[in-house]
Amino acid sequence: QVQLVESGGGVVQPGMSLRLSCAASGFMFNAHDMHWVRQAPGKGLEWMSFIRYDGSRHSYAESLKGRLTISRDNSKNTLYLQMNSLRSEDTAVYFCAKGYGAIDSWGQGTLVIVSS
Amino acid sequence: DVQMTQSPSSLSASVGDRVTIACRASQGISTYLAWYQQQPGKVPKLLIYSASTLQSGVPSRFSGSGSGTDFTLTISGLQPEDVATYYCQNYRNAPYSFGQGTKLEIK
Repeated sequence: QVQLVESGGGVVQPGMSLRLSCAASGFMFNAHDMHWVRQAPGKGLEWMSFIRYDGSRHSYAESLKGRLTISRDNSKNTLYLQMNSLRSEDTAVYFCAKGYGAIDSWGQGTLVIVSS
Repeated sequence: DVQMTQSPSSLSASVGDRVTIACRASQGISTYLAWYQQQPGKVPKLLIYSASTLQSGVPSRFSGSGSGTDFTLTISGLQPEDVATYYCQNYRNAPYSFGQGTKLEIK
């Protein structure tokens, strides 16, 4: 079955950068669009970014544009998210997700805490 | 960018009740609308896509309707396991924004 396993979370200082990874299995990774979605503690879902199945197109939430880079390595079945200039408000659980439009599969998430 | 607004933000209903949650898009999105359920402590789950198509395995008491800017999620016969926060999402054009969520509790 579909498995999405995020990694790379942890405690980081404000202003630092972080790269999250998502290892995919159980489906043809190179045939599916992928997303990153985050959820701050006690808050709602925030869509962050999307990348087309072949990496040819991507998009970012307007509020995060300029600080994010989404990428994928189809030879490794892995999705990435590079986040720069981290702030306290970036503290959240970060989900890797699969879907062409609607998101049909989610990882368990990785927690990022931005704190000095 | 399309903004998604849900109402109400929270509601309380009794087991067996019919529950309706509304979602409004700031501009027309045809039927590119999905609904998700997030039970406490769990990962979100896709309930409905294309505004009204039930995802495989989702109980038939869930239904969706609408097109353009106004959409509705209906639960016909509320069950205790339906306690959750429900989100709508636009996927007409990126950014694929979510609504702010509707928290559903049992009376």
